[in-house]
Amino acid sequence: DIQMTQSPSTLSASVGDRVTITCRASQTITKWLAWCQQKPGQAPRLLISKISSLQDGVPSRFSGSGSGTEFTLTINSLQPDDFATYYCQEYNDYSGYTFGQGTKVEIK
Amino acid sequence: QVRLVQSGAEVKKPGASVKVSCKASGYTFTENAMHWVRQAPGQRFEWLGWTFTDTGYTTYSRKFQDRVTITRDTYATTAYMELTSLTSEDTAVYYCARGYEGTFDFWGQGTLVTVSS
Repeated sequence: DIQMTQSPSTLSASVGDRVTITCRASQTITKWLAWCQQKPGQAPRLLISKISSLQDGVPSRFSGSGSGTEFTLTINSLQPDDFATYYCQEYNDYSGYTFGQGTKVEIK
Repeated sequence: QVRLVQSGAEVKKPGASVKVSCKASGYTFTENAMHWVRQAPGQRFEWLGWTFTDTGYTTYSRKFQDRVTITRDTYATTAYMELTSLTSEDTAVYYCARGYEGTFDFWGQGTLVTVSS
């Protein structure tokens, strides 16, 4: 099965910073790579699907990119509402849906 | 607006079963698959399986396929997830989530299932 590894696990940043989170897959994956945001006590919120497709209502400071086994989520100009935990997630026909371990974005 | 409302928290003894419901509204229920995902304390999310809400066809994660059953009631626009032979390792928050482009675009609020003797 494909393993998804995010880095870093924790990230300390300030409002206005540009933040990049990396997700590496143990095998090449196709287009089914998504990013979601979760705040304490809440359900996840989908930010990006198919590597780079921003969901309706998600601020344009969020962007996704990558291919093959390495993918990134970038947050330009971090806002107070962005302090949360972010997860990458992939899908394939063989093993289904797999998540990364999460990256917690904390206030510096 | 799309809403997925789950049933309340459960406390179960080891060996028991649990059934969680997920009431959907705000969209045509049979146009999207419904998935179940769980998050145990300190663990990453795990996908349990999904159902095609129009046909009832299901696919389960290999890890859970012997213990999980996902069903749906199209008239009630409700999906269900039953997990059997519970152990303490099944203590987690269980979510239903609507399928979309290889991921999940709307999630229920989560149902805490605690397994304890």
